[in-house]
Amino acid sequence: EVQLVESGGGLVRPGGSLRLSCVASGFTFSSYSMHWVRQAPGKGLEWLSFITSSSSTVYYADSVQGRFTISRDNAKKSLHLQMNSLRDEDTAVYYCARTPVSYDFWSGPTRHLDVWGQGTTVTVSS
Amino acid sequence: DIQLTQSPSFLSASVGDRVTITCRASQGISNYLAWYQQRPGKAPELLIYAASTLQVGVPTRFSGSGSGTEYTLTIGSLQPEDFATYYCQQGNSHPPAFGQGTKLEIK
Repeated sequence: EVQLVESGGGLVRPGGSLRLSCVASGFTFSSYSMHWVRQAPGKGLEWLSFITSSSSTVYYADSVQGRFTISRDNAKKSLHLQMNSLRDEDTAVYYCARTPVSYDFWSGPTRHLDVWGQGTTVTVSS
Repeated sequence: DIQLTQSPSFLSASVGDRVTITCRASQGISNYLAWYQQRPGKAPELLIYAASTLQVGVPTRFSGSGSGTEYTLTIGSLQPEDFATYYCQQGNSHPPAFGQGTKLEIK
């Protein structure tokens, strides 16, 4: 079964840091590009970041540029999101998701997210 | 950045009804449009990509169409499990963006 499982969420103070992880199973993780997407309580989906299969290309939303860093370890089949300088408005459920190609999201015709994890909850509060 | 506006934001319908949700983009997105379903407390699931291609395993009562700036998701005959929130997503240009969502409720 194709599966993504996030972990690492929790309660953190404003200005603090947190590292999220997403472990893949059921498919060849090293052949797929990956995303992080979040959803604030009662709100819609917000795309955050993208990384190619080889980690050669990364993109960020303006809202997290300079604060969040996406990375991956293909040997461990894991995706990470290092979140620094956290703000109240970063409170959300964070999802990892797969794009069914290995290359830059903007280079080919495949521009969707086909597999999603169940999410991990991050709460930023004093 | 491209903005996506879904209409309606809320929709009340009955089992067996045919419903249509519209997603309008602030500029042309060349059919780089996907639709997702999210049930309460669950992760989004891909329904349709490239505006009209049904994802493997998705029931054929779901269909997508459109071009340019206007796209639609149609559910042919609502089933109880279809009551959820639906999101469109554009993949034409950075950053990828989602619509605000359409919550489909049981009448």
